[in-house]
Amino acid sequence: AQSVTQLDSHVSVSEGTPVLLRCNYSSSYSPSLFWYVQHPNKGLQLLLKYTSAATLVKGINGFEAEFKKSETSFHLTKPSAHMSDAAEYFCVVSDYGNQGGKLIFGQGTELSVKP
Amino acid sequence: NAGVTQTPKFQVLKTGQSMTLQCAQDMNHEYMSWYRQDPGMGLRLIHYSVGAGITDQGEVPNGYNVSRSTTEDFPLRLLSAAPSQTSVYFCASTGRSGNTIYFGEGSWLTVV
Repeated sequence: AQSVTQLDSHVSVSEGTPVLLRCNYSSSYSPSLFWYVQHPNKGLQLLLKYTSAATLVKGINGFEAEFKKSETSFHLTKPSAHMSDAAEYFCVVSDYGNQGGKLIFGQGTELSVKP
Repeated sequence: NAGVTQTPKFQVLKTGQSMTLQCAQDMNHEYMSWYRQDPGMGLRLIHYSVGAGITDQGEVPNGYNVSRSTTEDFPLRLLSAAPSQTSVYFCASTGRSGNTIYFGEGSWLTVV
């Protein structure tokens, strides 16, 4: 069965320091992987996605993620945090080829950014 | 969230009332799905559809009903609302490849 584990429920960083949000997945097939961000009381915004092309994926707002098949990981990073990055982040796996419309969400990581 | 229209955005219901959350997409996508979001639990799949006339249950289907009479529409019905159904609901659609997901803007539902 497919699953997604976000290893930290809450991450706190200082403004200007690097961000690392960790995501491990389990999939029997070649998945598509996504990171979404959600600001308070807002909808879901796509940060980036991996769809079996380059393993290092660059997204919006300076975020990037690296797909590591051997480690079944898809960690999200940013070199320098900004106050506006404070939000909840979701790692998502899509196995549409075999799951017919299912998306599997991680439980989310809340990112706090201190001035 | 271009292409997926989800309504209403906010709704307050009394226990026992019924209502329908609407979801429509104009991209001719085969796959559509409904999720609920609760604090600390991420988004959980309620029901999904792989095409018109075909639906299936997700992780948390109890208390909800869906139908897919057309490719464009995938309404979610709450048959008899309960306080446990207070949540934020998201509709999603995608094409066959699954490489791009479109979400609705969300529906904030409170059951009192």
